Amino acid sequence: EAQVTQNPRYLITVTGKKLTVTCSQNMNHEYMSWYRQDPGLGLRQIYYSMNVEVTDKGDVPEGYKVSRKEKRNFPLILESPSPNQTSLYFCASSLGSAAHTEAFFGQGTRLTVV
Amino acid sequence: AQKVTQAQTEISVVEKEDVTLDCVYETRDTTYYLFWYKQPPSGELVFLIRRNSFDEQNEISGRYSWNFQKSTSSFNFTITASQVVDSAVYFCALKPNSGNTPLVFGKGTRLSVIA
Repeated sequence: EAQVTQNPRYLITVTGKKLTVTCSQNMNHEYMSWYRQDPGLGLRQIYYSMNVEVTDKGDVPEGYKVSRKEKRNFPLILESPSPNQTSLYFCASSLGSAAHTEAFFGQGTRLTVV
Repeated sequence: AQKVTQAQTEISVVEKEDVTLDCVYETRDTTYYLFWYKQPPSGELVFLIRRNSFDEQNEISGRYSWNFQKSTSSFNFTITASQVVDSAVYFCALKPNSGNTPLVFGKGTRLSVIA
């Protein structure tokens, strides 16, 4: 089954404690990205990756890092989480970056930073 | 700049009523794609439809229909004979065909269908 898998689904952590949210896709997609969803703001892109070892900033990259060492995995790293990073996070993948390529989303990771 | 506006923050309807969710977009690109996604209470994002800017034909899929009007930059979504399972947040999104512009989402419309 084609899918994007994020882990964990829920996470509560304390300010400053480094964490990683994993994302894996089994569709051999080149393009992957991370979004955060906040009430009243919709979804905003954090980072994206065109392919292995190619990553770039999205609209709200501050406080986040990513890596793309393998095609299937695109982890999101919060080196020093802060309460304003409390949000619902989605990983997405698509065949390419072209507009017509449908984005498949993971199940979401609800992060709370206290 | 790209922008998607979903003016309706929340809508409540009684089961079996028809409901239309509005979506207005802004882009300077001549080629672009429009999407609708559904986010049920469980939280995942479910793809509903993709439409390119050159195809203004309306589309119907079961109880769902979409009305794309380039002249008014709108891509509205209608649910006919709504059901409780339609209760969700619905997002309209835009993706231009140029560069690496990400999906630009509207803020979403929360639809509550009451039995």
